[in-house]
Amino acid sequence: QQQVKQSPQSLIVQKGGISIINCAYENTAFDYFPWYQQFPGKGPALLIAIRPDVSEKKEGRFTISFNKSAKQFSLHIMDSQPGDSATYFCAASGYGQNFVFGPGTRLSVLP
Amino acid sequence: EPEVTQTPSHQVTQMGQEVILRCVPISNHLYFYWYRQILGQKVEFLVSFYNNEISEKSEIFDDQFSVERPDGSNFTLKIRSTKLEDSAMYFCASTPTGRGELFFGEGSRLTVL
Repeated sequence: QQQVKQSPQSLIVQKGGISIINCAYENTAFDYFPWYQQFPGKGPALLIAIRPDVSEKKEGRFTISFNKSAKQFSLHIMDSQPGDSATYFCAASGYGQNFVFGPGTRLSVLP
Repeated sequence: EPEVTQTPSHQVTQMGQEVILRCVPISNHLYFYWYRQILGQKVEFLVSFYNNEISEKSEIFDDQFSVERPDGSNFTLKIRSTKLEDSAMYFCASTPTGRGELFFGEGSRLTVL
């Protein structure tokens, strides 16, 4: 119930391509779904987040798509750049629920 | 921009020694957390803290771990008798309301020899 599944484990994309990372959850009490970006040796930093009252949220090149009925959400990075190379974690939380992180996706964007 | 600060950035200790990791959460935040990340692996929840007491802890947070807010600004994680498998990056995080964005510190790398 508390687990958040994430795939793929690693992803290699050419510069300018689209990076897509998927997550799924079970706990219907979750109502906040952030994506965190982590560079080596640094703490995770919030990239973008969504609540289940919308199906999509876009901020620049980053888009979250949310499917409430399927209990799935995904991160799309358009026009991927080498500077986007990092580990991405999806997460979920809700009222009375601590943040639960997915296992992470290591993204490499080739120049 | 306010940030969560952690010290030390890296600590090397001998197995069996006690370690204290320190955190200064963002000043108006009320909920505090410790997470652990073993190299290259997922971010694992250890403990959450609100209103001067533990609100939730994971199965990782056994009797060798303790947390304290000794004053109005610091939030500490103590590991009483370190084991080799405690080697990891420890992240402190805080949030104003217990919901919404979780703000992480830069982490403290613990190496147990």
